[in-house]
Amino acid sequence: QSALTQPRSVSGSPGQSVTISCTGTRNDVGGYNQVSWYQQHPGKAPKLIIYDVSKRPSGVPDRFSASKSGNTASLTISGLQAEDEADYYCCPYAGSYTLVFGGGTKLTVL
Amino acid sequence: QVQLVQSGSELKTPGASVKVSCKASGYIFTTYAMNWVRQAPGQGLEWMGWINTNTGNPTYAQGFTGRFVFSLDTSVRTAYLQISSLKAEDTAVYYCAREMTMKPPHAFDIWGQGTMLTVSS
Repeated sequence: QSALTQPRSVSGSPGQSVTISCTGTRNDVGGYNQVSWYQQHPGKAPKLIIYDVSKRPSGVPDRFSASKSGNTASLTISGLQAEDEADYYCCPYAGSYTLVFGGGTKLTVL
Repeated sequence: QVQLVQSGSELKTPGASVKVSCKASGYIFTTYAMNWVRQAPGQGLEWMGWINTNTGNPTYAQGFTGRFVFSLDTSVRTAYLQISSLKAEDTAVYYCAREMTMKPPHAFDIWGQGTMLTVSS
């Protein structure tokens, strides 16, 4: 059980925007500018889509954006597409050379 | 291309041990740390820890000390995860994942395909 809180599920229609939150503490999300986000389709390995709070790896569409305020990090997906339907996990640095994953959020594209 | 290829599925009985391998290719193995991530059936991701591929020094997350051991064989560019005294609750997919920066642990840009471990009598 993760100490980080993510909504169990979110949904949106194609073309809309959705935001997924990741709430932690000052010991993880709030303490460092190091939050990554991963997308995982069923039966597949996770894929890095955001690192260092808001940076996108090469090849990740700019429809994916992220930010952080206090102890909460947020991932926004704009212009929703059917292929965005997946599970999303936040992963902040938690000090002492450790990381922690959020519980995950299932995104449904209606 | 840069990739991590893991060993195949395992079926083990309680109390046994297992060693999962993760073979790297397409980059200098000792440049980037290797992380391990567990995902139980229908559950989320759990970070297990990482190993410095230059020094071999491992760091284990809480809950993954004692029965879990990370190791390397740099001559064959391979990282290993060994789990001893297996329990039913160890049933999960285990992923290796490459650290993308020089400041681990940080973020994982390359993932193995996962190794399914089933522990059952």
